[in-house]
Amino acid sequence: EDKVVQSPLSLVVHEGDTVTLNCSYEVTNFRSLLWYKQEKKAPTFLFMLTSSGIEKKSGRLSSILDKKELSSILNITATQTGDSAIYLCAVSVNTGNQFYFGTGTSLTVIP
Amino acid sequence: NAGVTQTPKFQVLKTGQSMTLQCAQDMNHNSMYWYRQDPGMGLRLIYYSASEGTTDKGEVPNGYNVSRLNKREFSLRLESAAPSQTSVYFCASSKSPGQGYEQFFGPGTRLTVL
Repeated sequence: EDKVVQSPLSLVVHEGDTVTLNCSYEVTNFRSLLWYKQEKKAPTFLFMLTSSGIEKKSGRLSSILDKKELSSILNITATQTGDSAIYLCAVSVNTGNQFYFGTGTSLTVIP
Repeated sequence: NAGVTQTPKFQVLKTGQSMTLQCAQDMNHNSMYWYRQDPGMGLRLIYYSASEGTTDKGEVPNGYNVSRLNKREFSLRLESAAPSQTSVYFCASSKSPGQGYEQFFGPGTRLTVL
């Protein structure tokens, strides 16, 4: 059975800290790994990773995929209160059109 | 461009009642999805439609039916609601997952079944 696991489940940090969120997967016919940020409403897309070792970056957020270790990390530097959210990891596979989601990491940034 | 829209935003049902959740997208996407989100469970796929005219079961399809009315619209029906179906429901669409495109989500419907 295909599976996506995120860790930690929750995290509380102070403004300015750097955080690393983890996502590991066990799927057949991996195609891509995606990161989403979910505040109070719908998830919004952050990154899509398909190639191992190539970092994607957007401002203070960056992410990288390790296909050998079947995992990805999402880094957030100089955290701000606006980074408080649930961060979701999803994996798509070559067979079918489904996306498999992890349970998410809840990040709280304290002023 | 409204993106993905869902109606209603909130709904309270009694056990045994039926209702349809509506979803529409204006991005000309081929694929559409219905998820439910429960605390500690992440997003679980109920049904999806890879393209107009096709629908497939996801991880948790029992108690639900879907209709892909046309390329824009994908509805989710609860025929006889149960308290276990209390959840937040998200509709999503994607251009073509087969080519690795991401999903775009609607704002969600919060459903309570008493």
